Amino acid sequence: QSALTQPASVSGSPGQSITISCTGTSSDVGGYNYVSWYQQHPGKAPKLMIYDVTERPSGVSDRFSASKSGNTASLTISGLQAEDEADYYCTSYRSSTWVFGGGTKLTVL
Amino acid sequence: QVQLVESGGGVVQPGRSLRLSCAASGFTFSHYAIHWVRQAPGKGLEWVAVISYDGSSKWSADSVKGRFTVSRDDSKNTLYLQMNSLRAEDTAVYYCARDGAPYSRRYMDVWGKGTTVTVSS
Repeated sequence: QSALTQPASVSGSPGQSITISCTGTSSDVGGYNYVSWYQQHPGKAPKLMIYDVTERPSGVSDRFSASKSGNTASLTISGLQAEDEADYYCTSYRSSTWVFGGGTKLTVL
Repeated sequence: QVQLVESGGGVVQPGRSLRLSCAASGFTFSHYAIHWVRQAPGKGLEWVAVISYDGSSKWSADSVKGRFTVSRDDSKNTLYLQMNSLRAEDTAVYYCARDGAPYSRRYMDVWGKGTTVTVSS
């Protein structure tokens, strides 16, 4: 089960916006609207940030948004803050299983 | 509040077995599918398995198929992961995570803090 493809790292300055991509295939990202995004700080459990491609759970800042085009999903964080520095993972449903991306380390400069 | 607490991790020799537990509280356990996700040291997240809300359906990753079995006991609000024929590459923090949609399987909204499994001789 090949992982979804994410950039290994992205960076941005406070106040800026960044986008993390997540590329799969028509069998996962492109075939279902079940893409979700997770934030993980070191030594902590993952936290759900986005589900069903674009939906934001209550309590998650509206600085976090997401979209999908074809086989690629994207997470955008606007107004970067120091607390956003973390690892971010996408995941997608794929024929009764789930597949994660390799993760992207976000550095806030 | 909604909570998941994993237990049962430890150090085990290659080829041996281990059973993890995930105790749920704060929600109607029998209405939700539950996932297992693991993370090897310094690596990314890997989905391991899921069991449907009623226990009638189970799916697992190719990397553990035939070795790991997920089950649930709704009378105890507890999920289990039976891990057999363990290998060094199974070394990881194992998380249980609730699916966010009742009676469905779409995403993981509540996660436990994880339990560590180390496979080593």
